[in-house]
Amino acid sequence: DTGVSQNPRHKITKRGQNVTFRCDPISEHNRLYWYRQTLGQGPEFLTYFQNEAQLEKSRLLSDRFSAERPKGSFSTLEIQRTEQGDSAMYLCASSPTEDYEQYFGPGTRLTVT
Amino acid sequence: AQKITQTQPGMFVQEKEAVTLDCTYDTSDQSYGLFWYKQPSSGEMIFLIYQGSYDEQNATEGRYSLNFQKARKSANLVISASQLGDSAMYFCPPLMKTSYDKVIFGPGTSLSVIP
Repeated sequence: DTGVSQNPRHKITKRGQNVTFRCDPISEHNRLYWYRQTLGQGPEFLTYFQNEAQLEKSRLLSDRFSAERPKGSFSTLEIQRTEQGDSAMYLCASSPTEDYEQYFGPGTRLTVT
Repeated sequence: AQKITQTQPGMFVQEKEAVTLDCTYDTSDQSYGLFWYKQPSSGEMIFLIYQGSYDEQNATEGRYSLNFQKARKSANLVISASQLGDSAMYFCPPLMKTSYDKVIFGPGTSLSVIP
């Protein structure tokens, strides 16, 4: 069990560029979650997958954001036309079912200049 | 919508003393769970303890225990024998059976352990 991994750990991009983050959950965890956390705040839920199906999307997830989990294993989160307000830590978590704790990855810190 | 209240934005405790971190929540769900997570300055979110709404016993996990009062909708975390490594942000997100769009972590409580 290697835990949840996220890549890259840090990303600096210019406003207007597209960025993509990857999350590899713990193997055999069928639930995968994305959160966004800004400084001094708790994580905000963005979306979650059960296997390859995206079951919930927060209102925070504007049409510039898209997430996929094509084979029910790893997931990608893409942000198009980044804005300075997108600067945050993006956290990924996985769990075996809804009744278990979510195991978090180390996060990807995005800075939009 | 769910609402989480952690009324202590910052807490200080002397090393080896016990500390209680408050958490109240607002939900109409009958079945739910409550988690406590710790986030040190390194940024990783670490699971500490879980309490199910139908569990009759308060959850305990090592130095961590939950003081769960269902009628008051509170689930306070008690850390016994505080250690310097306990200095971190603490969050108490509930797990609801309804839409995950309503999962809210809340502002958290910052705990500083003083040597």
